[in-house]
Amino acid sequence: DAKTTQPNSMESNEEEPVHLPCNHSTISGTDYIHWYRQLPSQGPEYVIHGLTSNVNNRMASLAIAEDRKSSTLILHRATLRDAAVYYCILRDRGKHNAGNMLTFGGGTRLMVKP
Amino acid sequence: DTAVSQTPKYLVTQMGNDKSIKCEQNLGHDTMYWYKQDSKKFLKIMFSYNNKELIINETVPNRFSPKSPDKAHLNLHINSLELGDSAVYFCASSLRNSNQPQHFGDGTRLSIL
Repeated sequence: DAKTTQPNSMESNEEEPVHLPCNHSTISGTDYIHWYRQLPSQGPEYVIHGLTSNVNNRMASLAIAEDRKSSTLILHRATLRDAAVYYCILRDRGKHNAGNMLTFGGGTRLMVKP
Repeated sequence: DTAVSQTPKYLVTQMGNDKSIKCEQNLGHDTMYWYKQDSKKFLKIMFSYNNKELIINETVPNRFSPKSPDKAHLNLHINSLELGDSAVYFCASSLRNSNQPQHFGDGTRLSIL
């Protein structure tokens, strides 16, 4: 799987929007962009994914650059519960077997201040 | 209802022992996984299992072996435990399509004395 680069940590104020960036300059045409987060003492949790177009769901929005070499996860109003490590992961849509594993990088630790 | 459940939540044991961690999913998924998160918090895939097809991360020692009695279960057996095996182990499941999210359990914290 292609590699992603994220800032080690970010800070946000409660109730404000948060933009978490991810660079993936070596992304291939068959890679989906997935985001997961890991709250303290819990397993990772799926957030959102996309291929080319921007995506919205109840948790977040995903903005994908036109050249697909970067993306941004947007939390519209950060809450204290959003404090977690956020992982940006590329997954090859051509894989439909047991090899369809997630490759986690270091992620971005998001701290939310009250 | 818990989607992916692991037992036990905590496991403390001595070096050299053999232990197992159980994982069950009630989501109807056809693929299950084991991940290891070490003290530096890096998450690494260990195994992926789908319909009797096992993919093994080549860095995993052969003391670790996954066992799947049926599609809803993927247990992790560890022989001759070593100090370096201390970590949090996460089980996950998904449908095989790469577009489908993986669902994780809450982890098993393994401590080797």
